[in-house]
Order: sequence, then structure tokens, then C-alpha cells
Amino acid sequence: GAGVSQTPSNKVTEKGKYVELRCDPISGHTALYWYRQSLGQGPEFLIYFQGTGAADDSGLPNDRFFAVRPEGSVSTLKIQRTERGDSAVYLCASSPEPSRNEQFFGPGTRLTVL
Amino acid sequence: AQSVSQHNHHVILSEAASLELGCNYSYGGTVNLFWYVQYPGQHLQLLLKYFSEDPLVKGIKGFEAEFIKSKFSFNLRKPSVQWSDTAEYFCAVSPTGGGNKLTFGTGTQLKVEL
Repeated sequence: GAGVSQTPSNKVTEKGKYVELRCDPISGHTALYWYRQSLGQGPEFLIYFQGTGAADDSGLPNDRFFAVRPEGSVSTLKIQRTERGDSAVYLCASSPEPSRNEQFFGPGTRLTVL
Repeated sequence: AQSVSQHNHHVILSEAASLELGCNYSYGGTVNLFWYVQYPGQHLQLLLKYFSEDPLVKGIKGFEAEFIKSKFSFNLRKPSVQWSDTAEYFCAVSPTGGGNKLTFGTGTQLKVEL
């Protein structure tokens, strides 16, 4: 079946601009996660949704970062006033059963802030 | 908060050599443990997982890992590597109870030479 999809695959923007990154989870998966991976590092947790609500947003680095999942399926990660330090690969994952916590990852969006 | 250490950052092996990648975690409670693999140009894929069952876990492609609670370790092993195992390997931990974030190590880049 179809896996997690993310769009765009690459995004280049200028410092100070606003960006939106989209994640389409595996159909039927109730849990959705966003991570950020910088060069040479493992993925770092940003936010977790169970259904429509953000169950854990403790990983969001500051208030420039925001994510929504209005219908409990597709999610959008929004970054305001982008900074060069925001450059990274943004990964989305979904899970069929949060209690088992097995997460399936998408290909990521590579964000470059010039 | 939990943390993960992967001590081997780069490993180079010849085909048919045996592999062991180290992973140690820090957390005061019970955990689920994972190994993910990222082949060149591909997204993160689950290699194997531990969910409080048999401490010796079998995964795909001949990989296995052993959870040693007293050592807080979850080392990945394969008796005979192939060139196609060239990839980056990430160990991850999550507290049990469901819905929790994965905390990843920094990854081990494995190169298998013919």
C-alpha cells in the first residue's frame, strides 16, 4: 500500500519567509509525528498528533513553529520568519497503534533557508 | 528525559564479515527499542523492534538485536554482511505506554566493501 508521503521534497526559501510542509500519513493511521534531522544527526522529535489534537508539542523549538492536523489525516508544519538554522530535513511519520509505537517514516522535505 | 548513544559513527567492513553496532540508552523506566535503517537515497525504514517480549529480536534481512536490560544496551548484529547492507543505521528508544516520541542516536554509517 501507499506509504507516508511528504510535499514538497525540496524547498528553498529566503531568510524571513514563511513555509508550509505537508504530510500525508498512511491511511487509517491515527498517530502522526514530525521530526527534524540536521546533517550528521539523528532525527529529533518536534510534535505528535493523536487524531486532530497535538498530544505532545514539547519538541517545537520556538513559537515560529506550528503544526496542524484539522481532519485527523493530513498535517501541515508551518514555519514563520525562517532562519538559516531551520535548514534541515523535516520528516513525518505515522503509526497505526500508538500503544505499539511503531512509526513509519516518509521521505522527508529538505528545507534550505538562504 | 531519555537519550541514546551510538558509539560507532563510521564502520567499514568487508563482505561476509560479522557486524555488531553498539547502542546504549538512558531512561529510568521501561522502554521500547528500535533499529531503523536508511539506505542511500531512501527514507528511514524499520529494521527491528523490541516491545518487552523475547530480548533477542529478529529483524529483516538477517539482522538481530539483543536487549540487555542490566547494560541498557540494544546492540545490532548480523553474522555476515553484504554490500547491499551499506547504509546508515539509527537506534531509537521510546518509553512504553504508547504515543511517545522516539529519541534517536546520531547514527552509524556502515560501508561494506566488496
